[in-house]
Amino acid sequence: EVQLLESGGGLVQPGGSLRLSCAASGFTFRHFAMSWVRQAPGKGLEWVATISGSDGRIYYTDSVKGRFTIFRDNSEDTVYLQMSSLRAEDTAVYFCAKRGDPNHCSGPTCYFDYWGQGTLLTVSS
Amino acid sequence: DIQMTQSPSSLSASVGDRVTITCRASQDINNYLAWVQQKPGKGPKSLIYAASTLQSGVPSRFSGSGSGTDFTLTISSLQPEDFATYYCQQYHSHPQTFGRGTKVEI
Repeated sequence: EVQLLESGGGLVQPGGSLRLSCAASGFTFRHFAMSWVRQAPGKGLEWVATISGSDGRIYYTDSVKGRFTIFRDNSEDTVYLQMSSLRAEDTAVYFCAKRGDPNHCSGPTCYFDYWGQGTLLTVSS
Repeated sequence: DIQMTQSPSSLSASVGDRVTITCRASQDINNYLAWVQQKPGKGPKSLIYAASTLQSGVPSRFSGSGSGTDFTLTISSLQPEDFATYYCQQYHSHPQTFGRGTKVEI
């Protein structure tokens, strides 16, 4: 059974930093790209970042470029999101998501076949 | 970026009803369209990908159709566990984008 378990959320002051983690199990982690998707309170879903399985390709949404870094440890089956220069508008639940069947993807973009339960980041003074 | 427009934004229905949600893309996305279900306080759950392919384990009362710019999610007979918010997602072009959601209420 695929499981994705996020952790690391919390309350951070504007301009601060935080690292989120997502521990994966139930599949061959290094074979799949992983993403972070966020949801601001009462709002819809917004893709944030994606990292490929093992060849280092990384993509970000424009609003987090230069502030967020996605990376992974395939020996620990964990993907991370290092966030810095945090802003109030980064406040959201952050979900970890596994990329779907590569045969049905389109280049760097794909659907997500499994999602975690999310971890809440609040940026406030 | 490709804009995804869902309608309606919310709907009220009863158990046993047939429910249809539509999603329109701002440009042709072929069949690179997914649907996810989200219940309050939970992470999303994948329902459909490639516009009409049911994710493993998803009940057959869910179905998807469409291609190009216009897509539909249909629940043939609404069950109590189906009351949730549904989002469409295009993955034809970077960045992948989501619709604003359709809340299905009792």
